[in-house]
Amino acid sequence: GAGVSQTPSNKVTEKGKYVELRCDPISGHTALYWYRQSLGQGPEFLIYFQGTGAADDSGLPNDRFFAVRPEGSVSTLKIQRTERGDSAVYLCASSPRTGYSGELFFGEGSRLTVL
Amino acid sequence: KQEVTQIPAALSVPEGENLVLNCSFTDSAIYNLQWFRQDPGKGLTSLLLIQSSQREQTSGRLNASLDKSSGRSTLYIAASQPGDSATYLCALTSMEYGNKLVFGAGTILRVKS
Repeated sequence: GAGVSQTPSNKVTEKGKYVELRCDPISGHTALYWYRQSLGQGPEFLIYFQGTGAADDSGLPNDRFFAVRPEGSVSTLKIQRTERGDSAVYLCASSPRTGYSGELFFGEGSRLTVL
Repeated sequence: KQEVTQIPAALSVPEGENLVLNCSFTDSAIYNLQWFRQDPGKGLTSLLLIQSSQREQTSGRLNASLDKSSGRSTLYIAASQPGDSATYLCALTSMEYGNKLVFGAGTILRVKS
Protein backbone atom coordinates (compact mmCIF):
# COMPACT_ATOMS: atom_id res chain seq x y z
CA GLY A 1 0.00 0.00 0.00
CA ALA A 2 0.92 3.62 -0.19
CA GLY A 3 1.13 4.30 3.52
CA VAL A 4 1.97 2.64 6.81
CA SER A 5 -0.59 -0.04 7.57
CA GLN A 6 -1.40 -1.23 11.08
CA THR A 7 -3.57 -4.16 12.07
CA PRO A 8 -5.80 -4.64 13.89
CA SER A 9 -7.21 -1.14 14.08
CA ASN A 10 -9.00 -2.10 17.29
CA LYS A 11 -8.30 -4.87 19.74
CA VAL A 12 -10.23 -5.62 22.91
CA THR A 13 -8.76 -8.23 25.19
CA GLU A 14 -8.97 -9.44 28.75
CA LYS A 15 -6.39 -8.84 31.42
CA GLY A 16 -3.68 -11.47 31.30
CA LYS A 17 -4.04 -12.32 27.61
CA TYR A 18 -1.35 -12.15 24.92
CA VAL A 19 -1.64 -9.61 22.10
CA GLU A 20 0.18 -9.04 18.81
CA LEU A 21 0.02 -5.79 16.87
CA ARG A 22 1.30 -5.65 13.32
CA CYS A 23 2.90 -2.84 11.35
CA ASP A 24 3.51 -2.89 7.60
CA PRO A 25 5.76 0.08 6.75
CA ILE A 26 6.11 1.90 3.48
CA SER A 27 8.04 -0.26 1.04
CA GLY A 28 11.75 0.43 1.15
CA HIS A 29 11.73 2.29 4.44
CA THR A 30 14.59 1.05 6.57
CA ALA A 31 13.69 2.73 9.86
CA LEU A 32 10.63 1.72 11.86
CA TYR A 33 9.38 3.14 15.15
CA TRP A 34 6.74 2.11 17.66
CA TYR A 35 5.09 4.70 19.89
CA ARG A 36 2.33 4.41 22.47
CA GLN A 37 -0.26 7.14 22.96
CA SER A 38 -2.46 7.21 26.03
CA LEU A 39 -5.65 9.24 26.12
CA GLY A 40 -4.94 12.96 26.24
CA GLN A 41 -1.19 12.51 25.94
CA GLY A 42 1.38 12.77 23.21
CA PRO A 43 2.95 9.60 21.82
CA GLU A 44 5.76 8.03 23.83
CA PHE A 45 8.65 6.21 22.21
CA LEU A 46 8.82 2.44 22.62
CA ILE A 47 11.34 0.99 20.17
CA TYR A 48 13.25 1.83 16.99
CA PHE A 49 14.39 -0.62 14.31
CA GLN A 50 17.05 0.01 11.74
CA GLY A 51 16.62 -2.86 9.30
CA THR A 52 16.07 -6.09 11.20
CA GLY A 53 17.70 -5.08 14.43
CA ALA A 54 16.33 -3.07 17.33
CA ALA A 55 18.65 -0.07 17.43
CA ASP A 56 16.99 1.33 20.55
CA ASP A 57 14.46 -0.45 22.76
CA SER A 58 14.87 1.83 25.75
CA GLY A 59 11.21 2.87 25.68
CA LEU A 60 9.75 -0.58 26.23
CA PRO A 61 8.15 -0.28 29.68
CA ASN A 62 8.97 -3.78 30.93
CA ASP A 63 9.76 -7.32 29.80
CA ARG A 64 6.15 -8.04 28.91
CA PHE A 65 6.70 -5.97 25.77
CA PHE A 66 8.71 -7.28 22.86
CA ALA A 67 8.96 -6.36 19.18
CA VAL A 68 10.46 -8.06 16.14
CA ARG A 69 11.17 -7.21 12.54
CA PRO A 70 12.65 -10.46 11.17
CA GLU A 71 12.95 -9.51 7.49
CA GLY A 72 13.47 -5.79 7.84
CA SER A 73 9.96 -4.93 6.70
CA VAL A 74 6.87 -5.93 8.72
CA SER A 75 7.15 -5.53 12.48
CA THR A 76 5.13 -7.11 15.26
CA LEU A 77 4.75 -5.67 18.73
CA LYS A 78 4.00 -8.40 21.25
CA ILE A 79 2.52 -7.83 24.69
CA GLN A 80 2.35 -10.67 27.18
CA ARG A 81 0.07 -10.89 30.24
CA THR A 82 -1.71 -7.68 29.31
CA GLU A 83 -2.70 -5.26 32.06
CA ARG A 84 -5.38 -2.57 32.09
CA GLY A 85 -2.64 0.05 32.04
CA ASP A 86 -1.53 -1.20 28.63
CA SER A 87 -4.70 0.25 27.11
CA ALA A 88 -3.60 2.87 24.59
CA VAL A 89 -3.19 3.53 20.88
CA TYR A 90 -0.04 1.93 19.53
CA LEU A 91 1.38 3.91 16.63
CA CYS A 92 3.90 2.71 14.10
CA ALA A 93 5.96 5.01 11.90
CA SER A 94 8.52 4.43 9.17
CA SER A 95 11.22 6.52 7.58
CA PRO A 96 13.47 6.13 4.54
CA ARG A 97 16.44 7.58 6.43
CA THR A 98 18.79 6.14 9.01
CA GLY A 99 19.24 9.31 11.02
CA TYR A 100 16.25 11.43 11.99
CA SER A 101 15.38 13.75 9.11
CA GLY A 102 11.76 14.51 9.84
CA GLU A 103 10.53 12.24 7.07
CA LEU A 104 8.44 10.14 9.37
CA PHE A 105 5.20 8.56 8.21
CA PHE A 106 2.72 7.34 10.79
CA GLY A 107 0.08 4.67 10.53
CA GLU A 108 -3.39 5.18 11.97
CA GLY A 109 -2.59 3.11 15.01
CA SER A 110 -3.94 0.06 16.78
CA ARG A 111 -6.25 0.89 19.66
CA LEU A 112 -5.78 -1.66 22.44
CA THR A 113 -8.33 -1.96 25.21
CA VAL A 114 -7.60 -4.31 28.10
CA LEU A 115 -10.66 -5.12 30.19
CA LYS B 1 15.31 15.17 31.24
CA GLN B 2 13.69 16.86 28.28
CA GLU B 3 10.11 17.96 28.89
CA VAL B 4 7.80 19.37 26.23
CA THR B 5 4.79 21.42 27.27
CA GLN B 6 2.01 22.72 25.05
CA ILE B 7 -0.26 25.58 25.97
CA PRO B 8 -3.19 25.90 25.76
CA ALA B 9 -4.46 22.34 26.12
CA ALA B 10 -7.56 23.27 24.15
CA LEU B 11 -8.61 26.24 22.07
CA SER B 12 -11.87 27.19 20.39
CA VAL B 13 -11.96 30.06 17.91
CA PRO B 14 -14.36 31.41 15.29
CA GLU B 15 -13.59 30.80 11.66
CA GLY B 16 -11.24 33.35 10.10
CA GLU B 17 -9.33 34.14 13.27
CA ASN B 18 -5.53 34.04 13.37
CA LEU B 19 -4.19 31.93 16.22
CA VAL B 20 -0.99 30.89 17.95
CA LEU B 21 -0.18 27.56 19.55
CA ASN B 22 2.71 27.38 21.98
CA CYS B 23 5.30 24.73 22.70
CA SER B 24 8.05 24.98 25.30
CA PHE B 25 10.92 22.64 26.06
CA THR B 26 13.41 22.42 28.91
CA ASP B 27 16.63 21.34 27.16
CA SER B 28 17.83 23.64 24.38
CA ALA B 29 20.24 21.03 22.92
CA ILE B 30 17.77 20.00 20.25
CA TYR B 31 18.41 18.74 16.73
CA ASN B 32 15.06 19.74 15.29
CA LEU B 33 11.48 20.50 16.24
CA GLN B 34 8.44 19.31 14.35
CA TRP B 35 4.75 20.16 14.39
CA PHE B 36 2.23 17.42 13.68
CA ARG B 37 -1.50 17.35 13.15
CA GLN B 38 -3.64 14.49 14.45
CA ASP B 39 -7.25 13.99 13.45
CA PRO B 40 -9.50 11.86 15.71
CA GLY B 41 -8.74 8.18 15.31
CA LYS B 42 -5.97 8.87 12.84
CA GLY B 43 -2.21 8.86 12.78
CA LEU B 44 0.02 11.91 12.76
CA THR B 45 0.71 14.09 9.76
CA SER B 46 3.84 16.21 9.69
CA LEU B 47 3.17 19.91 9.13
CA LEU B 48 6.48 21.67 9.55
CA LEU B 49 10.01 20.70 10.53
CA ILE B 50 12.47 23.28 11.86
CA GLN B 51 16.13 22.36 12.09
CA SER B 52 18.02 23.65 15.12
CA SER B 53 19.88 26.15 12.94
CA GLN B 54 16.67 27.65 11.57
CA ARG B 55 14.39 30.29 13.06
CA GLU B 56 11.17 29.53 11.21
CA GLN B 57 9.42 27.53 8.52
CA THR B 58 6.34 28.37 6.51
CA SER B 59 3.83 26.28 4.61
CA GLY B 60 0.73 27.95 3.24
CA ARG B 61 -1.23 29.44 6.16
CA LEU B 62 1.10 27.87 8.71
CA ASN B 63 4.23 29.43 10.16
CA ALA B 64 6.35 27.82 12.84
CA SER B 65 9.08 29.64 14.73
CA LEU B 66 11.85 28.36 16.95
CA ASP B 67 13.74 30.15 19.71
CA LYS B 68 16.17 27.66 21.19
CA SER B 69 17.60 30.05 23.76
CA SER B 70 14.22 30.54 25.40
CA GLY B 71 13.09 26.95 24.77
CA ARG B 72 10.04 27.93 22.79
CA SER B 73 8.31 27.29 19.50
CA THR B 74 5.07 28.72 18.18
CA LEU B 75 2.75 27.55 15.44
CA TYR B 76 0.86 30.39 13.82
CA ILE B 77 -2.26 29.56 11.81
CA ALA B 78 -3.63 32.36 9.66
CA ALA B 79 -7.28 32.73 8.68
CA SER B 80 -8.37 29.57 10.47
CA GLN B 81 -10.94 27.27 8.86
CA PRO B 82 -13.19 24.54 10.30
CA GLY B 83 -11.01 22.00 8.50
CA ASP B 84 -8.12 23.06 10.73
CA SER B 85 -9.90 21.48 13.71
CA ALA B 86 -7.58 18.76 15.04
CA THR B 87 -4.99 18.12 17.73
CA TYR B 88 -1.64 19.79 17.12
CA LEU B 89 1.43 18.18 18.59
CA CYS B 90 4.95 19.48 18.80
CA ALA B 91 7.84 17.07 19.07
CA LEU B 92 11.60 17.31 19.02
CA THR B 93 14.74 15.29 18.74
CA SER B 94 17.68 16.17 20.92
CA MET B 95 21.18 15.19 21.90
CA GLU B 96 19.81 13.33 24.88
CA TYR B 97 17.27 11.25 22.95
CA GLY B 98 18.86 10.81 19.52
CA ASN B 99 16.41 9.62 16.89
CA LYS B 100 13.51 9.43 19.31
CA LEU B 101 10.84 12.09 19.11
CA VAL B 102 9.75 13.57 22.44
CA PHE B 103 6.18 14.84 22.17
CA GLY B 104 4.10 17.36 23.98
CA ALA B 105 0.56 16.43 25.02
CA GLY B 106 -0.94 18.51 22.23
CA THR B 107 -3.40 21.36 21.79
CA ILE B 108 -6.94 20.45 20.74
CA LEU B 109 -8.11 23.09 18.29
CA ARG B 110 -11.71 23.67 17.32
CA VAL B 111 -12.56 26.21 14.65
CA LYS B 112 -16.23 27.10 14.66
CA SER B 113 -18.03 27.99 11.45
